[in-house]
Amino acid sequence: DVKVTQSSRYLVKRTGEKVFLECVQDMDHENMFWYRQDPGLGLRLIYFSYDVKMKEKGDIPEGYSVSREKKERFSLILESASTNQTSMYLCASRPHGATNEKLFFGSGTQLSVL
Amino acid sequence: RKEVEQDPGPFNVPEGATVAFNCTYSNSASQSFFWYRQDCRKEPKLLMSVYSSGNEDGRFTAQLNRASQYISLLIRDSKLSDSATYLCVVKGGSASKIIFGSGTRLSIRP
Repeated sequence: DVKVTQSSRYLVKRTGEKVFLECVQDMDHENMFWYRQDPGLGLRLIYFSYDVKMKEKGDIPEGYSVSREKKERFSLILESASTNQTSMYLCASRPHGATNEKLFFGSGTQLSVL
Repeated sequence: RKEVEQDPGPFNVPEGATVAFNCTYSNSASQSFFWYRQDCRKEPKLLMSVYSSGNEDGRFTAQLNRASQYISLLIRDSKLSDSATYLCVVKGGSASKIIFGSGTRLSIRP
């Protein structure tokens, strides 16, 4: 069965800390995504990557960066965490190609920044 | 105006009822449409794609109206296990333009 694994289910960090959220997929997918989900706002795209070392900004990239050194791993980095980055973070992947549009999600990381 | 809009609900209906909800999108160039289901504190999972001609999967029927720019989901003979949040998803021309609605919460009561 396909699997997208996020390293932490719950995370509590302090304002100003550097935070790493890790995501690994075992499906050899080219495309990987980071979303955040907030009540009433739905899922919003932070960054995505369509290949190793390639990255593109999504709708809300400010305050975030990403790293894709290997195909299976896509990391989200909060350089200096702030309280408004408290959210549920969801990683997703899907293969290239118009016929494969299903997104596979990890189980999410609930991040609280105090 | 949001690119994808949904009635947040909650819709609270009895078991066995038929329930329908709509989703509107603003970009007429949108190419693909989907319904995802998200259970409480879980990740979204694809429920079904939505095709121009409409499509059915068991008790679920999805429709697309390009002229009016909305998609709909109909659930017949609803079950307790249908309680979830249903996310409308619209995809544009590029890999990144996958826009999620904020979801419609459905609660089925015995």
